[in-house]
Amino acid sequence: SAVISQKPSRDICQRGTSLTIQCQVDSQVTMMFWYRQQPGQSLTLIATANQGSEATYESGFVIDKFPISRPNLTFSTLTVSNMSPEDSSIYLCSVAGTGNSYEQYFGPGTRLTVT
Amino acid sequence: QKEVEQNSGPLSVPEGAIASLNCTYSDRVSQSFFWYRQYSGKSPELIMSIYSNGDKEDGRFTAQLNKASQYVSLLIRDSQPSDSATYLCAVRAGTYKYIFGTGTRLKVLA
Repeated sequence: SAVISQKPSRDICQRGTSLTIQCQVDSQVTMMFWYRQQPGQSLTLIATANQGSEATYESGFVIDKFPISRPNLTFSTLTVSNMSPEDSSIYLCSVAGTGNSYEQYFGPGTRLTVT
Repeated sequence: QKEVEQNSGPLSVPEGAIASLNCTYSDRVSQSFFWYRQYSGKSPELIMSIYSNGDKEDGRFTAQLNKASQYVSLLIRDSQPSDSATYLCAVRAGTYKYIFGTGTRLKVLA
């Protein structure tokens, strides 16, 4: 398995501002993903963070709103830009591809509230 | 559209009973199957993975896979109130493409 940390764990932000969430893994991983989860809802994949190249976004998510970086195999950031109250959610980083495994592991999440 | 279906519940079982959680998937080429437990306010935690038809046991948990029926289940023996959580089924539908079900909420009654 992998040990994943996310910063910040929670934040309250004003509308129109941006927040960058960091995800750090304790070992090199093949894949890093960013999800969003509304309370009581299932997971929604935002994008796959690709090392050294542009992220791959899912339908309904765009780079201008959710820019993602992945400078190496252990670190990624997700920025939520020009926030509105609809962006209030839990944002989860996950990783897969540790060793020969396809298992996916999740970070602790970032709880974002936009006022 | 590739899908993973789960009954949303809640599934209520008495303490000490067997909880049976079910999941069906639509993509026949799916290779790997995972069960996650998610406590309220926490992130999903991987509890079981299964790749071959049949049963896989780990402590009180047994995952069962039937690829012909496109069905995967999770049995929790001797259910405890601490098992109360939402259980997410996930399918690996491509090299690193994962599809999650919406989860089944389990309540173990003391």
